Amino acid sequence: KQEVTQIPAALSVPEGENLVLNCSFTDSAIYNLQWFRQDPGKGLTSLLLIQSSQREQTSGRLNASLDKSSGRSTLYIAASQPGDSATYLCAVKIQGAQKLVFGQGTRLTINP
Amino acid sequence: DTGVSQDPRHKITKRGQNVTFRCDPISEHNRLYWYRQTLGQGPEFLTYFQNEAQLEKSRLLSDRFSAERPKGSFSTLEIQRTEQGDSAMYLCASSLGLASAYNEQFFGPGTRLTVL
Repeated sequence: KQEVTQIPAALSVPEGENLVLNCSFTDSAIYNLQWFRQDPGKGLTSLLLIQSSQREQTSGRLNASLDKSSGRSTLYIAASQPGDSATYLCAVKIQGAQKLVFGQGTRLTINP
Repeated sequence: DTGVSQDPRHKITKRGQNVTFRCDPISEHNRLYWYRQTLGQGPEFLTYFQNEAQLEKSRLLSDRFSAERPKGSFSTLEIQRTEQGDSAMYLCASSLGLASAYNEQFFGPGTRLTVL
């Protein structure tokens, strides 16, 4: 059974810092991995999708990496801003299945 | 229409009542998914449709839950005889399916259910 873990559960940093969020998964037979952002009481916004054959994806100040063999992904946020405050979720799509398996998320607070 | 929409956004009901939620996917997307998210947790998969066919259901989807996608467009999720444990955010997502190399899922704003 695929399990996804995100560490830390919560993170608070001052504005302007670069930071890394971690995601690990137990079964390396994945099709892709997505990072999402969720604001309180809202739905999920897709940030980046990495195919299993890819090593990283970049969008603006965000960079996501994937090491399938070790079952890890990281989301790097450069020059953090208070507007980046949200919960960040990673999810994997298992090969041969359509559902996404989510981690519990990292609640990020950027302090002005 | 540029995204997935869900209605209602909030629903408060009494235990034992039936509730129905609606999801309208992105218009060209043929795959539609339902997830449930409780406070402080990541979303959990409930079921998925390809066009009008319901192809997968989670064990979380008890016999009190039923989902339909009658014409391969919008979908409804009904919960009968609601229980307090059903209180959660119900999220809908859609994707292009085989037409897309990536099959990225796009989520709606969710329906927050509170069972009193």
